[in-house]
Amino acid sequence: KAGVTQTPRYLIKTRGQQVTLSCSPISGHRSVSWYQQTPGQGLQFLFEYFSETQRNKGNFPGRFSGRQFSNSRSEMNVSTLELGDSALYLCASSLGGSGTEQFFGPGTRLTVL
Amino acid sequence: GIQVEQSPPDLILQEGANSTLRCNFSDSVNNLQWFHQNPWGQLINLFYIPSGTKQNGRLSATTVATERYSLLYISSSQTTDSGVYFCAVRSNDYKLSFGAGTTVTVRA
Repeated sequence: KAGVTQTPRYLIKTRGQQVTLSCSPISGHRSVSWYQQTPGQGLQFLFEYFSETQRNKGNFPGRFSGRQFSNSRSEMNVSTLELGDSALYLCASSLGGSGTEQFFGPGTRLTVL
Repeated sequence: GIQVEQSPPDLILQEGANSTLRCNFSDSVNNLQWFHQNPWGQLINLFYIPSGTKQNGRLSATTVATERYSLLYISSSQTTDSGVYFCAVRSNDYKLSFGAGTTVTVRA
């Protein structure tokens, strides 16, 4: 069974631009979560989707948004990029219950210049 | 939210040595996972262990949910064990809360 895939793997943008990252979960998984990893803040939760509904959102500004499609694929969007948005963005999928095991993709490394 | 503390923050080992990593959490959880982050950033699942003990090769883990801690044991360490180990927990809010990680360096 294929793992979680994320595209693109690397991205370079300039301040003020917007970016869209994509995540395809493991087949049969209906939950997708997004996390941001930076050297200063560690791994922080962005949001979680299940059956196209956002069930929880972390403490990030409204510039960070996401959505999930009927095939469980998910996208996250960051508008008006700031230098501090440079980070590794990780996506995880699971079957959906709060106690179920999470599996992570390889991540998208975003650099904002 | 749930607070997760990992110790020690850094660990330097000689190849062949054994070690114990600890994870303390502040509230009851229904999911606890240990990950190893590879040099390219991907989080590799080591254990899904909300309670009890599991073993996988040279690695084993124990979670005592009633006392809110988990331990990861590395035996006969190898240089390939180097990297950052994360503990993450989840309650009913559908988000994983991560510790700051333990950076393990195994010297040949």
